[in-house]
Amino acid sequence: GDSVTQMEGPVTLSEEAFLTINCTYTATGYPSLFWYVQYPGEGLQLLLKATKADDKGSNKGFEATYRKETTSFHLEKGSVQVSDSAVYFCALSDRQGQNFVFGPGTRLSVLP
Amino acid sequence: DAGITQSPRHKVTETGTPVTLRCHQTENHRYMYWYRQDPGHGLRLIHYSYGVKDTDKGEVSDGYSVSRSKTEDFLLTLESATSSQTSVYFCAISDSGGPYNEQFFGPGTRLTVL
Repeated sequence: GDSVTQMEGPVTLSEEAFLTINCTYTATGYPSLFWYVQYPGEGLQLLLKATKADDKGSNKGFEATYRKETTSFHLEKGSVQVSDSAVYFCALSDRQGQNFVFGPGTRLSVLP
Repeated sequence: DAGITQSPRHKVTETGTPVTLRCHQTENHRYMYWYRQDPGHGLRLIHYSYGVKDTDKGEVSDGYSVSRSKTEDFLLTLESATSSQTSVYFCAISDSGGPYNEQFFGPGTRLTVL
């Protein structure tokens, strides 16, 4: 079945450091890909998405590119802030939207 | 923010008791989902609904049942709670079941089964 693999962390960075969180997937067909963020005590919020190969999703300084050849959707940010501390989830959805699979989440801590 | 509420937000119960969690939306979205979140597992789909009275099982449906009698409400029932069902439960909604399936999440319910 479909699956998502991501580095579990925790990842600890200093403010203004460069962030990469790796995500790879296994799926039949051509899924849509998502990054969600979860702040402490809250539900998940959509951070960005990409629905076809070579699409780049971006939001709040974060970006990720749908790489079909490497089945990857790595999350990057050029300069993290303390307020970016959260858990980040990579996820995929099949074309029918009936199979939505999340990765285990990566906890990010940004130190001042 | 999408109008999704979950009740209760916290519950402690004993093994063998029935428990019902409620998800309420004000967005008139067609699709509703119940997930559980456990360390190391991310979110796992329990059940989902694609319309009133239309539901289907997800990855971890054993021990859970759902009902949707109105568009706005999606109930998750644990008929006889077990300690393995201690978890944080999230409801999500979506307007489209297709490839643009952005899901909006509720605040979660923390359930502890003693």
